Amino acid sequence: KNQVEQSPQSLIILEGKNCTLQCNYTVSPFSNLRWYKQDTGRGPVSLTIMTFSENTKSNGRYTATLDADTKQSSLHITASQLSDSASYICVVSEAGTALIFGKGTTLSVSS
Amino acid sequence: DGGITQSPKYLFRKEGQNVTLSCEQNLNHDAMYWYRQDPGQGLRLIYYSQIVNDFQKGDIAEGYSVSREKKESFPLTVTSAQKNPTAFYLCASSIDLASGIQYEQFFGPGTRLTVL
Repeated sequence: KNQVEQSPQSLIILEGKNCTLQCNYTVSPFSNLRWYKQDTGRGPVSLTIMTFSENTKSNGRYTATLDADTKQSSLHITASQLSDSASYICVVSEAGTALIFGKGTTLSVSS
Repeated sequence: DGGITQSPKYLFRKEGQNVTLSCEQNLNHDAMYWYRQDPGQGLRLIYYSQIVNDFQKGDIAEGYSVSREKKESFPLTVTSAQKNPTAFYLCASSIDLASGIQYEQFFGPGTRLTVL
């Protein structure tokens, strides 16, 4: 069964610190992997999209990595800000067929 | 200003009533989608449409209906047959269906439906 598992479920960090969110998937055949940021009560906004051949992609303070061999991805947030408090959703595209959504990691950044 | 709009932002419904959620986009996208989001769960696909006057059931279509009479609009009706309709509903669009799978979907701000 195609699945996307994210960890941790929730995370609290101090402003200015770095953090890393994990995403493991069993989706096959694989097309691409996306990370979305969703603020409370809002729609998800795309952060990065990576295909099979891409190992790393950055968007400002957000850096996503992908290891297609081990079917793992991570999202690293550098120098966190209060505005980073949100849910981060990993989404894997099953080639030509469907999107498989993870349950998300809820990040809280405190001052 | 291009984007996807959903209305209303909050909606309250009595049991047994049908309600319709609005979704409009001015991105000139062919494909549109409806998702349901529940606490602690990933987004689940309700319906999708790849072109005007055509739509397909997603994973959880029971108790929902849609129409696609215009390219810009994809309203979702939550019927009384939906046993647990309280949720956050998200509309999305992409250039076409293949692009939505291969590239990116753009999401609206969502509608929170509560059944009283």
